[in-house]
Amino acid sequence: EPEVTQTPSHQVTQMGQEVILRCVPISNHLYFYWYRQILGQKVEFLVSFYNNEISEKSEIFDDQFSVERPDGSNFTLKIRSTKLEDSAMYFCASSAREGVTEAFFGQGTRLTVV
Amino acid sequence: ILNVEQSPQSLHVQEGDSTNFTCSFPSSNFYALHWYRWETAKSPEALFVMTLNGDEKKKGRISATLNTKEGYSYLYIKGSQPEDSATYLCALGAGGADGLTFGKGTHLIIQP
Repeated sequence: EPEVTQTPSHQVTQMGQEVILRCVPISNHLYFYWYRQILGQKVEFLVSFYNNEISEKSEIFDDQFSVERPDGSNFTLKIRSTKLEDSAMYFCASSAREGVTEAFFGQGTRLTVV
Repeated sequence: ILNVEQSPQSLHVQEGDSTNFTCSFPSSNFYALHWYRWETAKSPEALFVMTLNGDEKKKGRISATLNTKEGYSYLYIKGSQPEDSATYLCALGAGGADGLTFGKGTHLIIQP
C-alpha cells in the first residue's frame, strides 16, 4: 500500500542551526502539507503546497520556514535558524485531489532543539 | 480561528465493552469533518471523512455520526479490542489547499 515516508525519524539540533526535514509523498498525489505537534498540544497546520508553490500557510509558518519540492518526489521543510520552541513532531501529509478527501500522513520526524 | 474540541481527553475501557467519544466544532462555515486514528510510533490513519448533516459512516466495529447543525460528531467503537488502543483525532477541513484544524484527541486505552 502506498505510504508517505519521512526522514529522519528523530533529529537533534543545536539552537540557531538550520535543519531540513524530508518527506516522500505518495507518488500520484497533488497536495502536500506540513503539520507539527508540540508535545501535549494540538496538531497544527503549517503549510500546503500545490503545483510547485505554496497554496496556504498558517501564522506559524513565518520567514524562518520554507518548503521545496526539488525533484518531483521529495518534499522538504527547512527551518533556517532553529529555536527551542521549534521542538515538536513534524508531520508530512499528501492528498490525491482537489476537494474533500482524506490526507495521508507520514510517521513524523521528532525534532529536538537543544 | 476554528476551535475543535474533543472529549474526553483520555478513556480507559475494558476489552469487549463499547465506547464513544465526542468532537465539537463551530457549526457555521462547516465543510468536512475528518476522523483519524493515531497509534504510537505510527502515522495517523484516516478513518472517515464526513460532509453531510446526519451522515453515518462505518468501518468494521467503528462508526461515526455527524450533526453539522449543532456542531458535533460521535465516534463509536463496538466491542473494544486491545488493538483499538490509540489516540483518535478529529479535524475540520475542506481539503485541497485548506489545512486541517485538529482537536487535541481522545487517548483510548483498552484494558484486557
